Amino acid sequence: SQQGEEDPQALSIQEGENATMNCSYKTSINNLQWYRQNSGRGLVHLILIRSNEREKHSGRLRVTLDTSKKSSSLLITASRAADTASYFCATDLKGAQKLVFGQGTRLTINP
Amino acid sequence: SAVISQKPSRDICQRGTSLTIQCQVDSQVTMMFWYRQQPGQSLTLIATANQGSEATYESGFVIDKFPISRPNLTFSTLTVSNMSPEDSSIYLCSVDSVGGGNTQYFGPGTRLTVL
Repeated sequence: SQQGEEDPQALSIQEGENATMNCSYKTSINNLQWYRQNSGRGLVHLILIRSNEREKHSGRLRVTLDTSKKSSSLLITASRAADTASYFCATDLKGAQKLVFGQGTRLTINP
Repeated sequence: SAVISQKPSRDICQRGTSLTIQCQVDSQVTMMFWYRQQPGQSLTLIATANQGSEATYESGFVIDKFPISRPNLTFSTLTVSNMSPEDSSIYLCSVDSVGGGNTQYFGPGTRLTVL
């Protein structure tokens, strides 16, 4: 079964607003990653946060991790039309050399 | 980062036939992964392919249906055998990054439609 549950499943906001997506998982992880997928194409790695980290920034992206709640959030600030895509969290499970992907959030930025 | 190409980018096939998807990487990598993404869904790992050994399949996926080859450190193929409309999906290959942490680089995907 999928490790990650994401919410919301879909999010539509105006350009310039902030977008927040959430991810929950079930078992112990080495790290949690976020990926972006544009219109059914390949995924692009955005950011990785390790299990001993609580917050990480990369440009307009901010990721938080709460291992006690087994949850993470991705914040995109000052959204742009080009941010329109599906966003997936992926967990790197302890003891397993593979990623398990969440269900994804489809983000639409309206001009 | 690794640059990954896949062939074909898309195909429309008849049920009962087979399709082989190629994945080429511009550098040598240890682990290659094959995923399936059904319409509107997330990615599901099919198998992990290591050079010189048999692929490791995830629960629900079998070698007879999805045979995989990994002849060298830059190339792999996935065959979708005896296709049915339920196999219509995007098939993606990915590779591990050198930097570790199991960050993966993805190919552009192969969009398969089975009639």
